[in-house]
Amino acid sequence: AAGVIQSPRHLIKEKRETATLKCYPIPRHDTVYWYQQGPGQDPQFLISFYEKMQSDKGSIPDRFSAQQFSDYHSELNMSSLELGDSALYFCASSSGLSYHEQYFGPGTRLTVT
Amino acid sequence: AQSVTQPDIHITVSEGASLELRCNYSYGATPYLFWYVQSPGQGLQLLLKYFSGDTLVQGIKGFEAEFKRSQSSFNLRKPSVHWSDAAEYFCAVGLSNQGGKLIFGQGTELSVKP
Repeated sequence: AAGVIQSPRHLIKEKRETATLKCYPIPRHDTVYWYQQGPGQDPQFLISFYEKMQSDKGSIPDRFSAQQFSDYHSELNMSSLELGDSALYFCASSSGLSYHEQYFGPGTRLTVT
Repeated sequence: AQSVTQPDIHITVSEGASLELRCNYSYGATPYLFWYVQSPGQGLQLLLKYFSGDTLVQGIKGFEAEFKRSQSSFNLRKPSVHWSDAAEYFCAVGLSNQGGKLIFGQGTELSVKP
C-alpha cells in the first residue's frame, strides 16, 4: 500500500539558509500535519492543512511557512535557518480532520551547521 | 493544564521479561489514545490505538494496552520482551475538537538486557 512520502530524507544546510521540505500524502488523503522532533524530544505539532486551507497552527516559528497544493502535497518552507532548527520533521496524512487512518511519513532529518 | 505524561524516561528490562510502560493524560473528555514506537533516527510506527469500545486493545508486535478511565491511563504492556523491542515509545492523545493533531508524551526509552 502507498505510504506518506517525504523528501528529501536528509538535508544539510548552513545557518541563515533556506530549506524546503515536501510531503506527499497517501492517495485520496486531503489532510496533512507537520511535526518537528528535536534531538531527544517528543514530536511537536507545527501546522496542518485540510483541503488546501490551513486548519490549525501550533508552535511554528514565523520564519517557517507552509502550504498545501492542489494535488494535496504540502511544502514546509524554512528561512533564516538556525542551529536550533536541526530536527526530524514528520508529516502525517489523513482523510479529513480525523484520527482514523492517519499515517506518518518517514521524516526528513534537517541538520543546520 | 492539559497534558500527556509518561513518568518513566528510561526503563531497562531483561529479554523475556514482561514490560509495562505508563501513560497518563489530563483532559476533560476521553481522548483518542495512541502508542507509537521509534527506533533511533527512524520514523514513528503505530503500535495500537484506542477510540472507544473494549478497553483492552491489541496491537502489533505482541503489544497491548489497557484504557482505564478512572485512572486516566493508557499503559502499554508486553508479556515477553525481545531484544528488538529496544526503542523509544511515545504515548499520544488526540481530542475530538483538535482536528486530528496529536499531542505526544515525553517518551520512554526502553533498553533490553540479554
